[in-house]
Amino acid sequence: QKEVEQNSGPLSVPEGAIASLNCTYSDRGSQSFFWYRQYSGKSPELIMSIYSNGDKEDGRFTAQLNKASQYVSLLIRDSQPSDSATYLCAPPGSYIPTFGRGTSLIVHP
Amino acid sequence: DVKVTQSSRYLVKRTGEKVFLECVQDMDHENMFWYRQDPGLGLRLIYFSYDVKMKEKGDIPEGYSVSREKKERFSLILESASTNQTSMYLCASSSLGRTGGGEPQHFGDGTRLSIL
Repeated sequence: QKEVEQNSGPLSVPEGAIASLNCTYSDRGSQSFFWYRQYSGKSPELIMSIYSNGDKEDGRFTAQLNKASQYVSLLIRDSQPSDSATYLCAPPGSYIPTFGRGTSLIVHP
Repeated sequence: DVKVTQSSRYLVKRTGEKVFLECVQDMDHENMFWYRQDPGLGLRLIYFSYDVKMKEKGDIPEGYSVSREKKERFSLILESASTNQTSMYLCASSSLGRTGGGEPQHFGDGTRLSIL
C-alpha cells in the first residue's frame, strides 16, 4: 500500500503571507503528483499537477517535487481568505489512488 | 470540461434498505471510483473500476457492492444500509494517461447520505 502523509493542521497564515503545504510519500515509483483543494462541504478539485522533478508555477501557486527525498510541496503566495480550504495531495498511483488526509489551511484577514 | 454527475446531493434512507448511488461521467474515462469521506478520516476508497464490468475492492468494501455495465456509469450499492454508513459519498473518474499510470481524478459534487 502506498502511503502519503500530510500534516492535518490547521495551518493558519495571515492574508498576504506565503502558505507552505507539504506531503511525503513512500512509493519511489511515483512519477508525478496532484494537488487538490477542497472547500468545506464541497468535493475536491484539481489545482496543480506536477510531472517531473523540480518546480511548477501557476499564478500564485508553486508545486515542488523532490523525488530523491520523496517530498512534494505546494506554496501559495499572497494568500487570500478565499484560499482557506483543505489541500489534498496524491500520486496517480496507477489504478489505485492514494490520497493524503489533507492539510487544513486558514488564511485570516 | 469534465463532468461527473452524481444522482443525488442529499439522500435519507432507513436502516435495512437497499440504497443505490449513481454516477455518470461524460469524458470516456476508463477509471471510476467511489469514496466515502468522514471528518478526520480523509478520503477512503470503497471500490474502483478500470473497465466495463470490472471492479476492484478498495480499502473499505464491506457492506457495499458496485456495478459498471456501461463505461460512463458506475453505481454504488449499499446492500442493507446501516447507520454507520451515514457519510459523504464521492464519485470520481480519470483516464489512464499516456503511460497507463493514471491521470488526475475528477470528482462529482458528492452525495450526503443519512441512514436513520
